[in-house]
Amino acid sequence: DAGVTQSPTHLIKTRGQQVTLRCSPKSGHDTVSWYQQALGQGPQFIFQYYEEEERQRGNFPDRFSGHQFPNYSSELNVNALLLGDSALYLCASSSWIYGYTFGSGTRLTVV
Amino acid sequence: KNEVEQSPQNLTAQEGEFITINCSYSVGISALHWLQQHPGGGIVSLFMLSSGKKKHGRLIATINIQEKHSSLHITASHPRDSAVYICAVDEETSGSRLTFGEGTQLTVNP
Repeated sequence: DAGVTQSPTHLIKTRGQQVTLRCSPKSGHDTVSWYQQALGQGPQFIFQYYEEEERQRGNFPDRFSGHQFPNYSSELNVNALLLGDSALYLCASSSWIYGYTFGSGTRLTVV
Repeated sequence: KNEVEQSPQNLTAQEGEFITINCSYSVGISALHWLQQHPGGGIVSLFMLSSGKKKHGRLIATINIQEKHSSLHITASHPRDSAVYICAVDEETSGSRLTFGEGTQLTVNP
């Protein structure tokens, strides 16, 4: 059984561009959360999706948006990229029964 | 002040040593998680605790809810244990959303 799959694994973008990151949750999980991890820091909560709706949101600007599809997979979109958006973006899927499973992350570099 | 504090930030040990990493939190929680992160970024869940103590192989995790404190112990440490260990909590009021500590970088030398 595959765990959480994130794509792409690495990405380089230019300031001002837009990026879409993708996450396929672990089988049986219905909730997807996204986290941003800057170098040397702990992950910070961006938002969480459940039943195709944003259920919770952290302290991130509206440039960060997302979507969840009927098959529970999710996308994270970031518009008008800034240098400070360079980070590891982690997806975690969960269910109240099974707890959390994390993906390997997408390393985004903004130049 | 962070809601989840870990100590130490960095830890270097010799192979075979007993290791303890501490986590303190300031909010009400429904569960506490210990996670392992290797270079490259992927996170592996080690333990989920809401009370007491859990053991898996050479790893032991304890939690004291009254004192809002948890510890992760590694017995007979090995170089392959070298990684970042992260404490994270499910806050009571936030649903299934994790708040993370900043992690402890563990290096075990042969």
